[in-house]
Amino acid sequence: NAGVTQTPKFQVLKTGQSMTLQCAQDMNHEYMSWYRQDPGMGLRLIHYSVGAGITDQGEVPNGYNVSRSTTEDFPLRLLSAAPSQTSVYFCASTPGQTYEQYFGPGTRLTVT
Amino acid sequence: GENVEQHPSTLSVQEGDSAVIKCTYSDSASNYFPWYKQELGKRPQLIIDIRSNVGEKKDQRIAVTLNKTAKHFSLHITETQPEDSAVYFCAASRGADGLTFGKGTHLIIQP
Repeated sequence: NAGVTQTPKFQVLKTGQSMTLQCAQDMNHEYMSWYRQDPGMGLRLIHYSVGAGITDQGEVPNGYNVSRSTTEDFPLRLLSAAPSQTSVYFCASTPGQTYEQYFGPGTRLTVT
Repeated sequence: GENVEQHPSTLSVQEGDSAVIKCTYSDSASNYFPWYKQELGKRPQLIIDIRSNVGEKKDQRIAVTLNKTAKHFSLHITETQPEDSAVYFCAASRGADGLTFGKGTHLIIQP
């Protein structure tokens, strides 16, 4: 199993550009989430999904969209990038509500 | 929503001594409390977790305790070693709606 994979590893965007961060898992997990990590802030939940076709907002959803058309994939879209979205983004999946979340390797995004 | 407070933000201990990191949470409906270790530039890795129907759990040198009444839980690391140096995060969840993390503790093991 590859586990949770994320692409790209690094990305630099200009203010106003849009892009999609990719996340995929091959463990047949129902639950998937996106977090951002900023220095001194821990990880904060952006959006999550409890199954294909079902998504919901987390703590910091503004400026991001998600969709879940398959169990395997959970892309995160930045609609119009802003410098405040400079961060490290982690995708995670879990087989159940109170089980270990498996994190992907992260995407380091810089918005200039 | 849930709020998780974590203390201290930095902890320095001598190698071989014990380390304790404490977290409090606000949502009494939270029922799952994991602890993650994150090394520089790496992804968070689960080291231990506890569910609300359990008061204490141990795994070799690591233990977690949970006090549901007071809404706090703690991580205990005994006989610390240099490889324990990292940032540790506590988190809380009430189910399918993801994890709420504390802001992290930078644990430094002094030789």
